[in-house]
Amino acid sequence: GAGVSQTPSNKVTEKGKYVELRCDPISGHTALYWYRQSLGQGPEFLIYFQGTGAADDSGLPNDRFFAVRPEGSVSTLKIQRTERGDSAVYLCASSSLGSDTQYFGPGTRLTVL
Amino acid sequence: AQSVTQPDIHITVSEGASLELRCNYSYGATPYLFWYVQSPGQGLQLLLKYFSGDTLVQGIKGFEAEFKRSQSSFNLRKPSVHWSDAAEYFCAVGGGADGLTFGKGTHLIIQP
Repeated sequence: GAGVSQTPSNKVTEKGKYVELRCDPISGHTALYWYRQSLGQGPEFLIYFQGTGAADDSGLPNDRFFAVRPEGSVSTLKIQRTERGDSAVYLCASSSLGSDTQYFGPGTRLTVL
Repeated sequence: AQSVTQPDIHITVSEGASLELRCNYSYGATPYLFWYVQSPGQGLQLLLKYFSGDTLVQGIKGFEAEFKRSQSSFNLRKPSVHWSDAAEYFCAVGGGADGLTFGKGTHLIIQP
């Protein structure tokens, strides 16, 4: 079956702009995660959804970052007033109910000029 | 707070030789442990996982890992590497509402 998909694969924006990154989880997966991977680092947890609600958003670095999952499937990560330090690969993962195994998408590479 | 240490940033191994990648973790309870592989331009692929039971776990692509509670380690091994194994390898701990905590990764280089 189809895996986790993320769009766009690459996004280049200017400092101060607003961006949206989209994640389509594996069909039927109730849990959805966002991570950020900076160059030379491992992925860093940002936020976790169980269904429509954010069960844990403690990893979001500041209030410029926000994520939604209005219908419990697709999720959008929103970044306001982007900064050069936001440049990274943003990864999405999903898992099925009761499972701790996360399946990752290919990521969106965000470059803030 | 949970953490993962992968002490080797780079490892170079000859094709056909054995491989061991080190991982040490810090976690308050019984850990859920994972190894993922990331090839250039690719997403993270799960190699294997440990939740409970047998401390030697088998994964895909001929990889295995051994959980040693006394050493807080979960080292990844492969008896004979192939050129296609060249990639970035990440150890991770946790799961559920906490998300995963990853190490910084080990870059594996295969020499012909």
